[in-house]
Amino acid sequence: AQSVTQLGSHVSVSEGALVLLRCNYSSSVPPYLFWYVQYPNQGLQLLLKYTSAATLVKGINGFEAEFKKSETSFHLTKPSAHMSDAAEYFCAVSDRDAGNMLTFGGGTRLMVKP
Amino acid sequence: EAQVTQNPRYLITVTGKKLTVTCSQNMNHEYMSWYRQDPGLGLRQIYYSMNVEVTDKGDVPEGYKVSRKEKRNFPLILESPSPNQTSLYFCASSLHQGLGYTFGSGTRLTVV
Repeated sequence: AQSVTQLGSHVSVSEGALVLLRCNYSSSVPPYLFWYVQYPNQGLQLLLKYTSAATLVKGINGFEAEFKKSETSFHLTKPSAHMSDAAEYFCAVSDRDAGNMLTFGGGTRLMVKP
Repeated sequence: EAQVTQNPRYLITVTGKKLTVTCSQNMNHEYMSWYRQDPGLGLRQIYYSMNVEVTDKGDVPEGYKVSRKEKRNFPLILESPSPNQTSLYFCASSLHQGLGYTFGSGTRLTVV
């Protein structure tokens, strides 16, 4: 079964600093990959997705992620953190032959210090 | 507005009293799914549906039922709720596996 690991349940950065949230998956065949953001008391919002085109994927709010097959990784980055980026971020994967099963990582709570 | 609508947003119930959480989407999506979110465990898939009358178990289906009689609706049924089903529940829908899901706002369920 597919598994997703997000390294670091909590990440703290200063406003204006680089944001790096890590995600590794277990599948040997590149799956569909997603990053979602959850603001307090809200549902999940899709930030970006990788489906098999460009390995560097740009999403909303200035976020981007790079798919690295050799490292089975899909880390999320943003060059300069803003206070409004404080939220919980989830990496998710879906195997291409697994119907619509979507497996989530445990989530990373991003805190942004002024 | 394209959206997934869940009701109710908050529910407190007693052990053993059957309940249904409704989910409706207005995007003509084929795929629909239910998740529960628990602290430290992230989101876990309960059931999913690839089309009308087609449903399948996710990672944690025990104690839950679903039905997909119409494309837009995908209710989650707890026949005999127990305290370990206290959680935050999300319904989601998708047009295609590779496009990602659109999530509802969530239902916070407490079973006492």
